Amino acid sequence: DTGVSQDPRHKITKRGQNVTFRCDPISEHNRLYWYRQTLGQGPEFLTYFQNEAQLEKSRLLSDRFSAERPKGSFSTLEIQRTEQGDSAMYLCASSLIESTGELFFGEGSRLTVL
Amino acid sequence: AQSVAQPEDQVNVAEGNPLTVKCTYSVSGNPYLFWYVQYPNRGLQFLLKYITGDNLVKGSYGFEAEFNKSQTSFHLKKPSALVSDSALYFCAVRDGAGTYKYIFGTGTRLKVLA
Repeated sequence: DTGVSQDPRHKITKRGQNVTFRCDPISEHNRLYWYRQTLGQGPEFLTYFQNEAQLEKSRLLSDRFSAERPKGSFSTLEIQRTEQGDSAMYLCASSLIESTGELFFGEGSRLTVL
Repeated sequence: AQSVAQPEDQVNVAEGNPLTVKCTYSVSGNPYLFWYVQYPNRGLQFLLKYITGDNLVKGSYGFEAEFNKSQTSFHLKKPSALVSDSALYFCAVRDGAGTYKYIFGTGTRLKVLA
């Protein structure tokens, strides 16, 4: 399968713990996006990368959240000191660098904070 | 700032009848518009997009959408609904004036009744 893959698919953690999610985009895609989706809501933009450069970050993203894409391939999203309000589905998507490209989404990583 | 509105939380339609799922948008530049579908416990799947050209665009699974610049709308349509079309549908917009951030609506649940 050559689609976007995310790991882990499910993560249950206790409040205050750190968690890290990984995203492997489609291999030739230069842009990589992270979104958060809560039940009954649409995906909420968190951040995106073009190659290894993080070009935009949502103001809604607290400093407990950090994302990296060190070699312009896979990306990680780390949440430090998790809170119950962080419980959500974290979606990764990738696209080609062409300006009109649609996003290709992974299946998501579901986080439950107890 | 760019934004998307999906005014209906749920749309019910009988199988075989035409369906419409509504979307309006706001951007400062030219809009790039997209529709995605999400099935339970799955990632978002791309259906169709409008970038430029004909106002009526055709996409996957028999879906189409009509771009209306004066009404800033991009409604999703299908001439004859199937029970298997029942899912969550999201409209998304990207402002063509420079940003590569995609903003999603809150989603509309389509229920096709047999």
